[in-house]
Amino acid sequence: DAMVIQNPRYQVTQFGKPVTLSCSQTLNHNVMYWYQQKSSQAPKLLFHYYDKDFNNEADTPDNFQSRRPNTSFCFLDIRSPGLGDAAMYLCATSRREDTRTDTQYFGPGTRLTVL
Amino acid sequence: QKEVEQNSGPLSVPEGAIASLNCTYSDRVSQSFFWYRQYSGKSPELIMSIYSNGDKEDGRFTAQLNKASQYVSLLIRDSQPSDSATYLCAVNQGTYKYIFGTGTRLKVLA
Repeated sequence: DAMVIQNPRYQVTQFGKPVTLSCSQTLNHNVMYWYQQKSSQAPKLLFHYYDKDFNNEADTPDNFQSRRPNTSFCFLDIRSPGLGDAAMYLCATSRREDTRTDTQYFGPGTRLTVL
Repeated sequence: QKEVEQNSGPLSVPEGAIASLNCTYSDRVSQSFFWYRQYSGKSPELIMSIYSNGDKEDGRFTAQLNKASQYVSLLIRDSQPSDSATYLCAVNQGTYKYIFGTGTRLKVLA
């Protein structure tokens, strides 16, 4: 089945210790997104890739970086996690062939805990 | 004013009843509208998408869109305890960006 996969599902890191979250997709979608979601809040878009073009949201902290080495994979790097970065990190994809009917599909998420 | 607004709930309905979830949005250029279901600790799962005014039915779910009123709703017929979750409304303005509401928590009472 075509899908969006995130690894790991749960990540525990120490304050200030870099961490990398990964996302892969078999949908062959050209757009990949990273969201941060905290409890009882809406998902917050951090950045997205349209093919190889990287698009950062204006309010995304510099502490968050991303890489997309190929169509299938995208990584979220948190250079120096703080306690406030503890959240669910969601990867999503969309095809973006028709902007009117474009639909976003989410992976299972990675729950990040910062000690 | 928030771009996408939802009542946070909880909305409690008895098993077998119709649950009605509502969402309003502020940008008139919005083109496509989505309902996602999110169980506690899980990721959002697409339930319905709707692009044109009117109703769209899929099994027990019906999405309703009224662009003139900037309003989109989700009806869940024959509600089951397994429908208990947070329902996120999302709006796309024809760009890369999906704007999410904070969700309505639905509780279906057995």
